[in-house]
Amino acid sequence: AQKITQTQPGMFVQEKEAVTLDCTYDTSDPSYGLFWYKQPSSGEMIFLIYQGSYDQQNATEGRYSLNFQKARKSANLVISASQLGDSAMYFCAMREGSGGSNYKLTFGKGTLLTVNP
Amino acid sequence: NAGVTQTPKFRILKIGQSMTLQCAQDMNHNYMYWYRQDPGMGLKLIYYSVGAGITDKGEVPNGYNVSRSTTEDFPLRLELAAPSQTSVYFCASSYSLLGGTGELFFGEGSRLTVL
Repeated sequence: AQKITQTQPGMFVQEKEAVTLDCTYDTSDPSYGLFWYKQPSSGEMIFLIYQGSYDQQNATEGRYSLNFQKARKSANLVISASQLGDSAMYFCAMREGSGGSNYKLTFGKGTLLTVNP
Repeated sequence: NAGVTQTPKFRILKIGQSMTLQCAQDMNHNYMYWYRQDPGMGLKLIYYSVGAGITDKGEVPNGYNVSRSTTEDFPLRLELAAPSQTSVYFCASSYSLLGGTGELFFGEGSRLTVL
């Protein structure tokens, strides 16, 4: 079974509108971390936001927020007020465990976001 | 700080050739990783290291070898290159989880084509 599932291969959004990128995860570990990375066409991987499994509040970083629904095992990325520069591939990733040997990230297949002017 | 530096950025290999992808980080991170990215498949972990002298296999280790003689360097060796190893390779590093999220810091990637 896939540990990280991103069901939207591609998404389109109009500039200045909000968009939600879906991510569901599968783990039996009570301690885990969820990450979102952005990969523009230039290829680099840019860290956007992190949510810990014990965090009470949804994470926010500027225009990025993470809609964390623990019971549903979902960690959707919300981008508010989309900009043309947000056009990129977005990856959801998970780290299982809180330390020791558990520091590797497992990635989803990604969602390609296109922002239209 | 340069962060994570990978070389070369591009390389074309013939089937059966060998090569080493270099990776260096200057952030004093203990943990280092090699991922490969194939179109539509996300990133898959090849090998990782938790410190100098310690390495372990990830999800897709076949056809690769690594070593970690120093904290800074984590080279990836491809032996007997095959077309299936055509991919973009990312090196990454991270610090201890204590007091941090454990986010990965990535290099810019190395695009390898095997013909």
